[in-house]
Amino acid sequence: ETGVTQSPTHLIKTRGQQVTLRCSSQSGHNTVSWYQQALGQGPQFIFQYYREEENGRGNFPPRFSGLQFPNYSSELNVNALELDDSALYLCASSKPGQGTTDTQYFGPGTRLTVL
Amino acid sequence: DAKTTQPNSMESNEEEPVHLPCNHSTISGTDYIHWYRQLPSQGPEYVIHGLTSNVNNRMASLAIAEDRKSSTLILHRATLRDAAVYYCILRDVVSQGGSEKLVFGKGTKLTVNP
Repeated sequence: ETGVTQSPTHLIKTRGQQVTLRCSSQSGHNTVSWYQQALGQGPQFIFQYYREEENGRGNFPPRFSGLQFPNYSSELNVNALELDDSALYLCASSKPGQGTTDTQYFGPGTRLTVL
Repeated sequence: DAKTTQPNSMESNEEEPVHLPCNHSTISGTDYIHWYRQLPSQGPEYVIHGLTSNVNNRMASLAIAEDRKSSTLILHRATLRDAAVYYCILRDVVSQGGSEKLVFGKGTKLTVNP
C-alpha cells in the first residue's frame, strides 16, 4: 500500500467523449505525475504537477490536461477520446528534496477503455 | 527515450537467487540508477536505487559496475510474489522544484517457477 489512491478503477467511454480521472496523493507529497501505460508497454510520462502548477509535460497533445488542488490531489482530463487512449492511467506522488533523488509512489491505476 | 537496455524476459526457480542485468552505457555523472517493479494488475513500486556504491535493502541488492555503465539487481531468494516486470531507470538529481520524470523502457519480465 502506497497511500496513493485513484478513481475510478475502471471506465468505459466512447470515442469523442471526455473523461476525468482522479488521484489522491500520499500525505505530505506535493508533486503528482501522471503516466499512460498501453498494454505490454512501460508507462509513458504525460505531465507533472508541483504545488498546483504544471511542471513538465511529455509528448501528449493538449487534449490531455490536468489540475492539482491545494490539498495536492490531482485530476487528469482527456477530451475528444480516441481509440488509442485505451490504457492504464497511473498517477504517482512524491515529495522532492533539493539536490536529492526522490521516490515516486504509484497508485493502482485507472483502466480506461475507449470503444 | 529510455537510456537503459534490459533483457525482455528471465526465468527463475523459487528460493533461488536472481540476477537482473541492466546496461546504461550513456550514464552521466549525476544519474542515479533506480529500479522499480510492477506486479500484475498493480502500479509500479520502488525497489532500490544507487549512485556509485553497491546498495542493499530489505527487498534486494544493487550491484553497480565500477565504470557505472551497467548494474545488476539481485533478488537473493526469489519467491512467487517476485514475479513482475522489473524496470531499470536513470534519474538525474533534482535541481529545481518538482521531481525528475521516470522514463520507462519495456523492462524485464521475471517468471518465478515453483
